[in-house]
Amino acid sequence: EVQLVESGGGLVQTGGSLRLSCAASGFTFSVYWMHWVRQAPGKGLVWVSHINSDGTRTRYADSVKGRFTISRDNAQNTLYLQMSTLRAEDTAVYYCARDQGFQPLIWGQGIVVSVSS
Amino acid sequence: QSALTQPRSVSGSPGQSVTISCTGTSSDVGGYNYVSWYQQHPGTAPKVMIYDVSKRPSGVPDRFSGSKSGNTASLTISGLQAEDEADYYCCSYAGSYTWVFGGGTKLTVL
Repeated sequence: EVQLVESGGGLVQTGGSLRLSCAASGFTFSVYWMHWVRQAPGKGLVWVSHINSDGTRTRYADSVKGRFTISRDNAQNTLYLQMSTLRAEDTAVYYCARDQGFQPLIWGQGIVVSVSS
Repeated sequence: QSALTQPRSVSGSPGQSVTISCTGTSSDVGGYNYVSWYQQHPGTAPKVMIYDVSKRPSGVPDRFSGSKSGNTASLTISGLQAEDEADYYCCSYAGSYTWVFGGGTKLTVL
């Protein structure tokens, strides 16, 4: 069974850092592009970041560029999102998703990140 | 990276059909056939209902269909059922390895 499980969320102070992880299983992780998508409380889905299969290409939404870093460890079947200089507006549920044909089609259950002063 | 435009809400009675629109630009929806639709019930992760504009994943009822004309994609749900009540989001590839979602539409089954 294809599965994505996020971890590493929690409460962090404004200006702090947090690293999210997404453990993949049930498929060959190393051949798939991956995404992070977030959803602020009561709001819609927002694409955050993308990484290609070998980690050599990354892209970011303007709102997180320069503060967030996406990476992956194909040997450990794990996707990461390093978040720094966190702001209140980064408070959201963060989902990792597997890409298929230029679309995020398989999603994890999400992890909550709360940024508070 | 402006969000795609969706109606905030739509509604229909059981058995009826509803259509949710998703309007973008020639740089996203109009430029690629990489449009997907997601259903999200409260407190749960999004579930893909349509991909590649009009394809249905295994297990999604054929009551759900997708189409695109120009810069606007559409999701049609026919034979509405109570369990279809949820939030629906469109997503499009926007070029240069970036993606954009719609603002979401709340479907109410009357």
